[in-house]
Amino acid sequence: AQKVTQAQTEISVVEKEDVTLDCVYETRDTTYYLFWYKQPPSGELVFLIRRNSFDEQNEISGRYSWNFQKSTSSFNFTITASQVVDSAVYFCALSEARSNYQLIWGAGTKLIIKP
Amino acid sequence: ETGVTQSPTHLIKTRGQQVTLRCSSQSGHNTVSWYQQALGQGPQFIFQYYREEENGRGNFPPRFSGLQFPNYSSELNVNALELDDSALYLCASSYPGLAKETQYFGPGTRLLVL
Repeated sequence: AQKVTQAQTEISVVEKEDVTLDCVYETRDTTYYLFWYKQPPSGELVFLIRRNSFDEQNEISGRYSWNFQKSTSSFNFTITASQVVDSAVYFCALSEARSNYQLIWGAGTKLIIKP
Repeated sequence: ETGVTQSPTHLIKTRGQQVTLRCSSQSGHNTVSWYQQALGQGPQFIFQYYREEENGRGNFPPRFSGLQFPNYSSELNVNALELDDSALYLCASSYPGLAKETQYFGPGTRLLVL
């Protein structure tokens, strides 16, 4: 069965430190998509990135970068030079063809950036 | 801002009552998905509507039902409320109806069942 594991329940770092959020997924499908969403205290889920299973190229967007490795079934998210505004809960999610692309979510990682 | 709106923002009900939550999708989006997020957990998929038809359902009982209207807005109805229904209910829209497309979320409705 498909599954997403975010082993880090909570991470606390001091501002300007780099931080990596881990995501490990399980799927038997060859066609699938991986997502990261940010959920600030207001509750709205903010889309950050989507990758498909055929594109393992890593991506960088400003201070954010993502490392997709099919060999280890991981899709990790790194924030460089963290800022207080990065404090939020971050969710990794998986959708696969055989499940009609329903989003399967990890439990989330609460990131606390201290000034 | 995603353009997805939900109402009401907060709601308090008692056990056994019925509730209707509303969602307006982003302009041009014809697919709406609903999720339940209990405190401290990830969202759980309830169901999805595409062009007014249910297009997939998660592991929720039939007392959770929905509708999608011709303008692609949607409602989530929950009958016979239980205490465990207390959660944040999130609506997401996507286009062009392909389930694999990225879903954009509204701010959610916080439901408290007493």
